[in-house]
Amino acid sequence: AQSVAQPEDQVNVAEGNPLTVKCTYSVSGNPYLFWYVQYPNRGLQFLLKYITGDNLVKGSYGFEAEFNKSQTSFHLKKPSALVSDSALYFCAVRSLRASGGSYIPTFGRGTSLIVHP
Amino acid sequence: GAVVSQHPSRVICKSGTSVKIECRSLDFQATTMFWYRQFPKQSLMLMATSNEGSKATYEQGVEKDKFLINHASLTLSTLTVTSAHPEDSSFYICSATRLAGGSTDTQYFGPGTRLTVL
Repeated sequence: AQSVAQPEDQVNVAEGNPLTVKCTYSVSGNPYLFWYVQYPNRGLQFLLKYITGDNLVKGSYGFEAEFNKSQTSFHLKKPSALVSDSALYFCAVRSLRASGGSYIPTFGRGTSLIVHP
Repeated sequence: GAVVSQHPSRVICKSGTSVKIECRSLDFQATTMFWYRQFPKQSLMLMATSNEGSKATYEQGVEKDKFLINHASLTLSTLTVTSAHPEDSSFYICSATRLAGGSTDTQYFGPGTRLTVL
């Protein structure tokens, strides 16, 4: 079974400071990892993904994430936070499910990022 | 590119009625679509995976007779909540992948539909 953990319900950071939103995963086989952002009453927007290659992945809006295989983590980072970054962030993993042969995505419970002016 | 739309964005209905939600991929062909349900301040709960031209695969605990999914074309999937009850009130989100649901495919999400059952 695959799972994703986002240990923090909420992250608070001052504008201009670096931010980190944590994500750890558990999956058999190669993990394909994603970060999405959700603004209030909206669907999810894709930020970035890790498939293979360089462990540091750069995505939209200045976000990046670092894949760490030994720690099974895929933390989302940004060097300088903006107030407009305040939103709900979801980490997700996709891998082949044991039955049915489908690639089923699993999402973390989400982390609310609040950037203070 | 990769825009997914949902209609309606918000619907209020009486208990016992049925509600249809449409999910469309506007600029790409989506052989696989996913339907999620999201409760306030919680993660997305996958309800079913829909493949064009075949029956949807429902997750455990999701009643397929209550949540009817039809994926009639490569750009349209519909979710019908039959005989809706107040406990069905939720935020329903669809997503689509460009290819046949491969593990590396990015999911593109619709804006969601807020269903309120009175």
